[in-house]
Amino acid sequence: DAKTTQPTSMDCAEGRAANLPCNHSTISGNEYVYWYRQIHSQGPQYIIHGLKNNETNEMASLIITEDRKSSTLILPHATLRDTAVYYCIVRVAHNFGNEKLTFGTGTRLTIIP
Amino acid sequence: GAVVSQHPSWVICKSGTSVKIECRSLDFQATTMFWYRQFPKQSLMLMATSNEGSKATYEQGVEKDKFLINHASLTLSTLTVTSAHPEDSSFYICSARDQKGVYEQYFGPGTRLTVT
Repeated sequence: DAKTTQPTSMDCAEGRAANLPCNHSTISGNEYVYWYRQIHSQGPQYIIHGLKNNETNEMASLIITEDRKSSTLILPHATLRDTAVYYCIVRVAHNFGNEKLTFGTGTRLTIIP
Repeated sequence: GAVVSQHPSWVICKSGTSVKIECRSLDFQATTMFWYRQFPKQSLMLMATSNEGSKATYEQGVEKDKFLINHASLTLSTLTVTSAHPEDSSFYICSARDQKGVYEQYFGPGTRLTVT
């Protein structure tokens, strides 16, 4: 699976959009971009994933650049409950022989009141 | 939907004893479950992949005789830490993949193990 690079930490004001970048310059054509987050002392929570098109769900939006070498997770109206470590992971989907997720160090997002 | 539970949520045990942690998928069947370990201020590290009805696949450096994994049904996997030592104190997290082909992994809330 391709490696990812994320900033160590970010702050965002409550109510504003939080934009979390991720670089994955070695991503392969069949690898998806996944985002998970982990609130302190809890298990990770799935947020969103995408291949090449931008994706949106009730939690967030995922913007993937045309060359797929980077992406941005957008939390449109950040709340204090969004304070967490956010992990960007790239991996092959539907690869039932190798489904493990490799977590990097992630971005510690702090929402400021 | 897609809820994964773990029991216990936290446990304290004495050095040399064994501890069993349960991971259950509550509203879906999971042919594959994963066990992770997380030390303070560090990221999750995969320990093993557990497939229902077969032996678990352990990651390099993880002792299979120390961390016993059993995946006897489509909704339950257990991790037993045998002869626990203080260095085994960690946050243990399981995840499960829905058998129906939805390929997101759903994570349990984690189990905090403290070995004294």
